[in-house]
Amino acid sequence: GAGVSQTPSNKVTEKGKYVELRCDPISGHTALYWYRQSLGQGPEFLIYFQGTGAADDSGLPNDRFFAVRPEGSVSTLKIQRTERGDSAVYLCASSLGGQETQYFGPGTRLLVL
Amino acid sequence: KNQVEQSPQSLIILEGKNCTLQCNYTVSPFSNLRWYKQDTGRGPVSLTIMTFSENTKSNGRYTATLDADTKQSSLHITASQLSDSASYICVVRRAGGFKTIFGAGTRLFVKA
Repeated sequence: GAGVSQTPSNKVTEKGKYVELRCDPISGHTALYWYRQSLGQGPEFLIYFQGTGAADDSGLPNDRFFAVRPEGSVSTLKIQRTERGDSAVYLCASSLGGQETQYFGPGTRLLVL
Repeated sequence: KNQVEQSPQSLIILEGKNCTLQCNYTVSPFSNLRWYKQDTGRGPVSLTIMTFSENTKSNGRYTATLDADTKQSSLHITASQLSDSASYICVVRRAGGFKTIFGAGTRLFVKA
């Protein structure tokens, strides 16, 4: 595709529910990042994939958060037992390599009621 | 304390005027520094990137400077346009790793 796409664009869920957020990176980009952005703040790093493996998951806040990239392309961020504090915009970015320019998707706006 | 601090938090200027946004960082060791523009409801878009040896980098009406000794960067916008209204985010990458550290951004409003 022409750019990074993310689905859904908006997600409203109830406290305690499970959600999955999807990211389709730019074709051929081996590096993929997930970020979380709260209102009025810059993006906060969550996890970085190089290919299929998570090269750095130090930003995941706790074990309720998990991400996969089984075929080295599409990635899914999974949040279990959602809490109201998880409400934020979840951004995905991809790049040709780990040191290259990151291209961001439009984000998924998650609201936990 | 955030390792990337930006000022001002927000700024309002008239169309056609110039402005300068500031970024101070403590990230070490340093790899590179980028400025991103983020329109409301969109993902950030890279404007400039500078490494340790670069002092200035231009992209159209945007000019970024870097002083690696004082760990300061600035983004200068010339002849502002209404479409420049956005958040401008300073991002620093630590050498030897993949993690990038984002500032909180400066929210710029350009008025007609």
